[in-house]
Amino acid sequence: EIVLTQSPGTLSLSPGERATLSCRASQSVSSSYLAWYQQKPGQAPRLLIYGASSRATGIPDRFSGSGSGTDFTLTISRLEPEDFAVYYCQQYGSSSFTFGPGTKVDIK
Amino acid sequence: EVQLLESGGGLVQPGGSLRLSCAASGFTFSSYAMSWVRQAPGKGLEWVSAISGSGGSTYYADSVKGRFTISRDNSKNTLYLQMNSLRAEDTAVYYCAKDGASPLPEDAFDIWGQGTMVTVSS
Repeated sequence: EIVLTQSPGTLSLSPGERATLSCRASQSVSSSYLAWYQQKPGQAPRLLIYGASSRATGIPDRFSGSGSGTDFTLTISRLEPEDFAVYYCQQYGSSSFTFGPGTKVDIK
Repeated sequence: EVQLLESGGGLVQPGGSLRLSCAASGFTFSSYAMSWVRQAPGKGLEWVSAISGSGGSTYYADSVKGRFTISRDNSKNTLYLQMNSLRAEDTAVYYCAKDGASPLPEDAFDIWGQGTMVTVSS
């Protein structure tokens, strides 16, 4: 089973700042089957990025994903007030799914 | 509008059973794999089970294998999760989620339901 580690656990930033979130896999993620989700309190997760770098439908272009192999990054270029939330990475493919423990982005 | 609506959660005693349902609308249900994902209070996301679009293939996390059964009725556009031998550690919000592009469970989850709470306690 592929284990995902996310860092940092919490990121304290101000609106307008750039956020860089990391996701590291215990083994190579095949075909960049890596996704990022955003979850706000009391809400279901929302797909942001799939295939490591493709934005899901309706996701603003301030969100971008990059990486391959075992190291992946989610970047939010300029934080908007609605972006403060928890972000999870997920690996998928071959009928197996695992999530990282999450990174909380809160207001500094 | 593409939508998933879970139901069936509630309070159950340890060792008991519960069946969750997820009603789908707005897309061709049988064309997509579906999954259940859970989230214990204050914790992260855990994938529980997946089923292919036809219902012919099922997949489970080790933590629920042998206790939970996933199924679907494509004529009713509904996904199910039968949960038996429930334990306190199964307490969580259970979400159903749609595979993004495939009848096999091999893609990210592009649509999620609002979740249904399952509490296992005496």
